[in-house]
Amino acid sequence: DARVTQTPRDKVTEMGQEVTMRCQPILGHNTVFWYRQTMKQGLELLAYFRNRAPLDDSGMPKDRFSAEMPDATLATLKIQPSEPRDSAVYFCASGLGTIGTLYEQYFGPGTRLTVT
Amino acid sequence: TQLLEQSPQFLSIQEGENLTVYCNSSSVFSSLQWYRQEPGEGPVLLVTVVTGGEVKKLKRLTFQFGDARKDSSLHITAAQPGDTGLYLCAGPQGAQKLVFGQGTRLTINP
Repeated sequence: DARVTQTPRDKVTEMGQEVTMRCQPILGHNTVFWYRQTMKQGLELLAYFRNRAPLDDSGMPKDRFSAEMPDATLATLKIQPSEPRDSAVYFCASGLGTIGTLYEQYFGPGTRLTVT
Repeated sequence: TQLLEQSPQFLSIQEGENLTVYCNSSSVFSSLQWYRQEPGEGPVLLVTVVTGGEVKKLKRLTFQFGDARKDSSLHITAAQPGDTGLYLCAGPQGAQKLVFGQGTRLTINP
């Protein structure tokens, strides 16, 4: 049963610290998405990659957030320095598709980040 | 940016009752998806509707895409506690991204 995995599941850190979240997409999927979910804003797209190339990171605060895909089995989302307003659940999702198709996205269990 | 508005935001009903939740937009979508998210988990895709007027059934869940492709509804018959969760609708934005509604948080009380 193929699944997207995310680590860590929970992270509590102090303001100013660096946070790195990791995602292993489903093998064979060519697109990886990073989302942030809060009660106030709902589910927001931060960035996504296709075939490991970043396609859109317009939803991401550029000064402190960065997303990379060092290889096809690993995507990372880094926050440096972290701030209390970054507290949220961060989801990774993967899918298989081409330009013009509607993706079926498979979500991981999320990383719950709390910045104090 | 195309927006999706879901209503109601919260819904709490008794087991066995029927319910309908809505997903509306002022924009036309080529298709819409519905996801269910349980506490501590990521959203799980339930269905994709692609044709105006389309109706899809998934056991006790009935999904309808509006004729004008600006809205969708999810009807649950004889709700069960296992139906509890956050229901999200989503539509394509541009060629590859999805935009999500805020969701309807559904609670089914035994």
